[in-house]
Amino acid sequence: AQKVTQAQTEISVVEKEDVTLDCVYETRDTTYYLFWYKQPPSGELVFLIRRNSFDEQNEISGRYSWNFQKSTSSFNFTITASQVVDSAVYFCALLSGNTGKLIFGQGTTLQVKP
Amino acid sequence: SAVISQKPSRDICQRGTSLTIQCQVDSQVTMMFWYRQQPGQSLTLIATANQGSEATYESGFVIDKFPISRPNLTFSTLTVSNMSPEDSSIYLCSVEQVAGETQYFGPGTRLLVL
Repeated sequence: AQKVTQAQTEISVVEKEDVTLDCVYETRDTTYYLFWYKQPPSGELVFLIRRNSFDEQNEISGRYSWNFQKSTSSFNFTITASQVVDSAVYFCALLSGNTGKLIFGQGTTLQVKP
Repeated sequence: SAVISQKPSRDICQRGTSLTIQCQVDSQVTMMFWYRQQPGQSLTLIATANQGSEATYESGFVIDKFPISRPNLTFSTLTVSNMSPEDSSIYLCSVEQVAGETQYFGPGTRLLVL
């Protein structure tokens, strides 16, 4: 069975703090893809990153960084020096290489206070 | 990435009525999907919209309740039939330009059923 778990339901930080959003996944596929999406209050789902199962290199994009560890089935997302505009719901998702279906975690609501 | 639009952006409907949501993409795409996001919840896949043939529905969703059309490679509609307050959700379409690649999402349709 495919499953994505985001154990943190809500996180609240003060601006400029660093924050890490956790994501743990389950799959028996050897080929799969992991994603992070951001959903601001407007409701649109914004794509942030895609990682395939054969590429464990960490990635940094500006204030955002991602840590993919197959040994622990985790794909965590860190925001450095958080800003109020980072306030949103963040979803981690798993795309099965076999079924082609995208499975979402429950989401983590991040509130960044000024 | 493709530019995706949805109409209407939001609507308030009476129970027992039906609403058709349109999803338009600015380029031809291989795959189109419809998701439902109930209040405070994650995204759930309703169906894959297949061009020129019947949609493929996920468990718990049926064609009579959520008829879907996809007449070409840039357009799809989802109808929410015989609505009840439980159908109040955000409905999102998504596309993959190539199967198995990144899914990009439309802005969503916020539906409230009274």
